[in-house]
Amino acid sequence: AQTVTQSQPEMSVQEAETVTLSCTYDTSESDYYLFWYKQPPSRQMILVIRQEAYKQQNATENRFSVNFQKAAKSFSLKISDSQLGDAAMYFCAYRSAPRTASKLTFGTGTRLQVTL
Amino acid sequence: DTAVSQTPKYLVTQMGNDKSIKCEQNLGHDTMYWYKQDSKKFLKIMFSYNNKELIINETVPNRFSPKSPDKAHLNLHINSLELGDSAVYFCASSQEPPPTSAPSTDTQYFGPGTRLTVL
Repeated sequence: AQTVTQSQPEMSVQEAETVTLSCTYDTSESDYYLFWYKQPPSRQMILVIRQEAYKQQNATENRFSVNFQKAAKSFSLKISDSQLGDAAMYFCAYRSAPRTASKLTFGTGTRLQVTL
Repeated sequence: DTAVSQTPKYLVTQMGNDKSIKCEQNLGHDTMYWYKQDSKKFLKIMFSYNNKELIINETVPNRFSPKSPDKAHLNLHINSLELGDSAVYFCASSQEPPPTSAPSTDTQYFGPGTRLTVL
């Protein structure tokens, strides 16, 4: 079974600074997807970024980028130019490559605080 | 134009009652999911339906019964509610497998969640 580990329960960053959230995972599969979801106080789960394991290039979405190290099974999220609206719980998630249906396996989350 | 909607958003009920949570998606997806988020914020899959067929059924008590009347709806019925059922329940949907023209549609999109409190 796959497992996802987020070793940082809480992180803090100053506005406009950069922060990196860590995620490691364990799998014996070679084809899979990785995601970062954001959960603000509204509790809505919002997709931040997605990475296909077969792609060597790291995914980026505006101020959000990942550092995907497949051999090390590491998938960190970098948030640049942090904004107050980035304050939320961030969840790393793993899923097997497309099948009829494939569940997301989540990490335990990192709570990000953004300070002035 | 809500993509994945759930009703109700909040549900407070007594132990032993039976309750349902409804989920609807207008994304045209054929796969829907139920996840449970406990008090420590841990999210775990409960069920998944693909084209009204049960695909994933994790270790969940028999008191929980999903029902999918059509591809756009997946409801969760809970019998004999217990204190430990208090949690936030999320519905999600995706397109499996994704069409070649839209390869990222297998990404799961979540509803706003239903906070269930059992007293």
